[in-house]
Amino acid sequence: GDSVTQTEGPVTLSEGTSLTVNCSYETKQYPTLFWYVQYPGEGPQLLFKVPKANEKGSSRGFEATYNKEATSFHLQKASVQESDSAVYYCALSETSSGQKLVFGQGTILKVYL
Amino acid sequence: NSKVIQTPRYLVKGQGQKAKMRCIPEKGHPVVFWYQQNKNNEFKFLINFQNQEVLQQIDMTEKRFSAECPSNSPCSLEIQSSEAGDSALYLCASSRRVGTGQLYFGEGSKLTVL
Repeated sequence: GDSVTQTEGPVTLSEGTSLTVNCSYETKQYPTLFWYVQYPGEGPQLLFKVPKANEKGSSRGFEATYNKEATSFHLQKASVQESDSAVYYCALSETSSGQKLVFGQGTILKVYL
Repeated sequence: NSKVIQTPRYLVKGQGQKAKMRCIPEKGHPVVFWYQQNKNNEFKFLINFQNQEVLQQIDMTEKRFSAECPSNSPCSLEIQSSEAGDSALYLCASSRRVGTGQLYFGEGSKLTVL
């Protein structure tokens, strides 16, 4: 089946530094790709949908570009804030019937002042 | 704030006991998913529905787990005979339609099996 693999954490950064979370996927068909974020004590929430190949998706200062050739869609932010501390998941929507979301293993981000 | 309402937030069961969790999807969302999230943050898909009909479910779900989404009532997930390995956060999510990938999650029901 479809799968996604992402940077293992935790990733610890000081406020104002840049972030990259790597994510790659395997699928036999054309995927729909997403980034989700989960704050402590909450359910995951959609950060943004990654649009078509070679186009950039973004939200709240985070962005990702889907590289079809490399089957990757890394998450980036130029300057992280303490409030960005959370767990980030890349996800892929399967093309089979039912089309469940397949999540990566999550990357814990800790940002300190 | 989550518009998907899950109850209870926490439940503690002994091995062999039944555990039942409920979910009210966001209004206007006919598609409902259940996921199990373990302590390592890993997600395991359990089952999904469109209205009252099952779209997909995994083998585990077919045996000890049961779920339903009756019309005009909350969706539910029940574990018939809890095992220690079932201890996890059970997340319900809803969506406007199949295939969008844009899921709206509740805060989850944390099950501890002693």
